[in-house]
Amino acid sequence: DAGVIQSPRHEVTEMGQEVTLRCKPISGHNSLFWYRQTMMRGLELLIYFNNNVPIDDSGMPEDRFSAKMPNASFSTLKIQPSEPRDSAVYFCASSNRGTGFDQPQHFGDGTRLSIL
Amino acid sequence: GQQVMQIPQYQHVQEGEDFTTYCNSSTTLSNIQWYKQRPGGHPVFLIQLVKSGEVKKQKRLTFQFGEAKKNSSLHITATQTTDVGTYFCAGAYSSASKIIFGSGTRLSIRP
Repeated sequence: DAGVIQSPRHEVTEMGQEVTLRCKPISGHNSLFWYRQTMMRGLELLIYFNNNVPIDDSGMPEDRFSAKMPNASFSTLKIQPSEPRDSAVYFCASSNRGTGFDQPQHFGDGTRLSIL
Repeated sequence: GQQVMQIPQYQHVQEGEDFTTYCNSSTTLSNIQWYKQRPGGHPVFLIQLVKSGEVKKQKRLTFQFGEAKKNSSLHITATQTTDVGTYFCAGAYSSASKIIFGSGTRLSIRP
């Protein structure tokens, strides 16, 4: 079975540029999560969707971050403009059934983002 | 805000020694999940505990959920080099609330 697919795996760009991260959840999963992982802050939940609808975006650091889920098989996380402090590994995860938090989350391989 | 505290932050053991990581919450959890992240990898779900006092085993790994559902532990017996990685607990305060990851315990092993 195909797992959660994220692209790109690595992204290096200069500050001020727009960055778009992509995620394809596992087919049939109805909950999708975006996380950011850094050494300093650990694993942080940024936003999650249930049935393509954003439920909680309280973890989104600021207005420069936005996320969309236009359909059940695709989501994007966009940073505009990017800043060096946005450098981190960004994970997408999906789960099936219910609200998602009582089911295991399946993580993608992550996007390692470096903002110069 | 609600937090799930995890200790220790790091543990370095001799291969064959046991390892334990602990998670604590100030308020009752609905359930707790455990994940393992290998170096350079992504978190992988290991198990979920739901019931008070629940104990589950996976080969050399033993997972416990406290009677008050405020703490949990993961114990690895006779560690092997394949156990290297960071172990995270993730607690939910209800099935409808978001889960909160602990800070993780990084396990390294001397061969």
